[in-house]
Amino acid sequence: DAKTTQPTSMDCAEGRAANLPCNHSTISGNEYVYWYRQIHSQGPQYIIHGLKNNETNEMASLIITEDRKSSTLILPHATLRDTAVYYCIVKPGAGSYQLTFGKGTKLSVIP
Amino acid sequence: DVKVTQSSRYLVKRTGEKVFLECVQDMDHENMFWYRQDPGLGLRLIYFSYDVKMKEKGDIPEGYSVSREKKERFSLILESASTNQTSMYLCASSSSPGTRDEQYFGPGTRLTVT
Repeated sequence: DAKTTQPTSMDCAEGRAANLPCNHSTISGNEYVYWYRQIHSQGPQYIIHGLKNNETNEMASLIITEDRKSSTLILPHATLRDTAVYYCIVKPGAGSYQLTFGKGTKLSVIP
Repeated sequence: DVKVTQSSRYLVKRTGEKVFLECVQDMDHENMFWYRQDPGLGLRLIYFSYDVKMKEKGDIPEGYSVSREKKERFSLILESASTNQTSMYLCASSSSPGTRDEQYFGPGTRLTVT
């Protein structure tokens, strides 16, 4: 059963912010939201994760709604190299090994 | 930077052959994983290991086995390759489970079984 729902594809103009949504309405209290991306012909790459507070790192920002049923990954200034499939994953915290990847969102950054 | 390397980028084998896929990580990570990735099915976990000589089945272990004799190396074995095992195989590693639990992936091995 899919724990997350993401749009199949999105376009973003180069230099603009890319906002990738994810719905996880059945998330439970001990589950984190993780984001990975996969650039063509490469393995997936970790981007960011969060529990309930907004998070920011050098790659992106993660905004989680107060009810935790959805989140948005923000790439503040998208470049052509950000073209990839982006996966939103819900995973329990400590003690859980598995990442369950869904189908993700294909983000195309347009020049 | 963490580096996860896989023995081959592309591999072609015949049905019935025994196939070894090797993965090595250089960050002293406790956990290592093997996934396969197929169009329309996403990534699926085959096996993982949380310590030397320890292994756990993932979602699709049938037709596969694994070996972890050293901490840095995790091998995936196809005992008798079949055409339905044609896929992209991805190895990953992570440090002890915790809230971060970031997995680092290798570049993948595209295996074709004919």
